Amino acid sequence: NAGVTQTPKFQVLKTGQSMTLQCAQDMNHNSMYWYRQDPGMGLRLIYYSASEGTTDKGEVPNGYNVSRLNKREFSLRLESAAPSQTSVYFCASSVSGQGTYEQYFGPGTRLTVT
Amino acid sequence: AQRVTQPEKLLSVFKGAPVELKCNYSYSGSPELFWYVQYSRQRLQLLLRHISRESIKGFTADLNKGETSFHLKKPFAQEEDSAMYYCALKGVDTGFQKLVFGTGTRLLVSP
Repeated sequence: NAGVTQTPKFQVLKTGQSMTLQCAQDMNHNSMYWYRQDPGMGLRLIYYSASEGTTDKGEVPNGYNVSRLNKREFSLRLESAAPSQTSVYFCASSVSGQGTYEQYFGPGTRLTVT
Repeated sequence: AQRVTQPEKLLSVFKGAPVELKCNYSYSGSPELFWYVQYSRQRLQLLLRHISRESIKGFTADLNKGETSFHLKKPFAQEEDSAMYYCALKGVDTGFQKLVFGTGTRLLVSP
């Protein structure tokens, strides 16, 4: 099992450009998440998907959109990138959002917006 | 409000010294707490959870509801313990349980 995979690993964008970060998991998990990691701020939840067909905003959703394409895939889109979106983005998945569970993380995407 | 506070950004110790990474939480319900670890060039992974009352890699953490704390401890630090450590709280929001992470503490163990 590959677990949680993310593409790309690195990306540099100019302000105003758009891009989609891809995430896939092969653990048959119901729930998936997108976080951003910034120095001194820890991990902050951007969006999550409790199950296939549903998505909800997290703590910092502004400037982002998501799509739960199917049970395996959960993408994050930046429509018009801004320097404030320079960060490391992590995708995670878990069996469900109910009960005691572990979140499994991807390797991250390092995004720089100039 | 659900909040996790890790007061130390960096904790630097020598090999063999005891380690305590502090975590305090704010939550009105019954909390579930976790420690996640991120080693250099590796992905974030679960280290331990309070309900398991387990010791992983020599680390333990006890939930103290009176002090609203979940500090991570190890009696003798090793160089391979150097990593970023995140305390996380499982809260409930609109019926879906999400993790709220602290800001993290970088542990540096020197030889």
